[in-house]
This record gives sequence, structure tokens and C-alpha cells, in this order.
Amino acid sequence: NAGVTQTPKFQVLKTGQSMTLQCAQDMNHEYMSWYRQDPGMGLRLIHYSVGAGITDQGEVPNGYNVSRSTTEDFPLRLLSAAPSQTSVYFCASSLGGEQYFGPGTRLTVT
Amino acid sequence: GEDVEQSLFLSVREGDSSVINCTYTDSSSTYLYWYKQEPGAGLQLLTYIFSNMDMKQDQRLTVLLNKKDKHLSLRIADTQTGDSAIYFCALKRSGGYQKVTFGTGTKLQVIP
Repeated sequence: NAGVTQTPKFQVLKTGQSMTLQCAQDMNHEYMSWYRQDPGMGLRLIHYSVGAGITDQGEVPNGYNVSRSTTEDFPLRLLSAAPSQTSVYFCASSLGGEQYFGPGTRLTVT
Repeated sequence: GEDVEQSLFLSVREGDSSVINCTYTDSSSTYLYWYKQEPGAGLQLLTYIFSNMDMKQDQRLTVLLNKKDKHLSLRIADTQTGDSAIYFCALKRSGGYQKVTFGTGTKLQVIP
């Protein structure tokens, strides 16, 4: 199994640009999540999904959209990037008590 | 909401034991986790404990849970330089989606 994969690994955007962060898992996990990690703040939940076709907001959803058309994929979309969205983004999938993280996408918005 | 607190920094000598502490406010947590993050990498699940347990040991790692004081600790025996990383405790609340709340992380520095 590849586990949880994320692309790209690094990205630089200009303010106002849009992009999609990709996340995929091959473990057939129902639950998937997106987090952002900022210095001194731990990880904060952006959006999550409990299965294909079902998504919901986390703690910091503003400025981000998600969809879950398949069990495997859970992309995160930034419609109009802002400097406040400069962060490291982690995707995770979980089954029961165990949550597995992808390697992260480091995003800089100038 | 859930508050999960950790000290920011811990320094130990190679070969000594490390103890990383975490306190939390929500007593309804069902799973309590410890993750390790090395520089530039994602989070690696080290171990977890169910809320109905007091202790779990896994090789060099020992997790202790004091539910009365809402205190979770991770002890690393015979700490090695490869253990240098940031350690996050995280809690999952009961009911609904498996939303996990993370602490701010403790940076462990191992001095050779």
C-alpha cells in the first residue's frame, strides 16, 4: 500500500490564484480529513469526510472547498488564495482509532 | 472546545529517558494518541491508548494516562538522537465523526 499520498509537495501561489491540493489513499478508509499546520498552533482541522459524497466543515473552513466523489480521493480547493493561507497542509485518512497522515504540501501565498 | 496543552521544548541526553507531557480538558476523549514529526515530514502515529486504559507499553515507549488529572504522558526509554523530533499528543472525542484535536507539539532535542 502507498498509504496516503499528497501532491504537490511544494507550491507557491500569488494572491487571488486558485489551486487544488490532491490527496489519495489506497487503504479503503471511509474517513478523510484536511489539516493545516502553522507554527505554534499544532494542527487545525479544515474539512473532513465520513464517506464518498459526504463532507463537513472543521475548525477553519473559510477559503477552502472539498468534495469526495470516490472513497480514494479527497481534494482540497483554494478558490482565491490569500497570504493567510500560507501553511503546511496535511491530508489524513482513518479507520477506527488509527489515523494516517500524508507527507504534506507546503504552500506559500505571496 | 477541547484544549490540549504541551510544553514547547524538552532537552535530554542520549541514553536517558524522556518524558513528554500533555494535559487536556475534555474528559469524553476515547482515543489518546502520540504522533512524531521529523523535520519536513508528515506525522507518524507512534502509539495510542484507549481511554479505559491506564498504561500501554510498546518497546521503548510507555504511555501513561491519568484520567482524574486529565494528564497523558509519553516516556521514551534509552533516548537516541533519532528520537529528536516534535511530538504531538492528540485526542479523539466520543460520538459523531472521529474529530481529532491536537496539542501544539513538544520539540525533543537529544544531546549526544
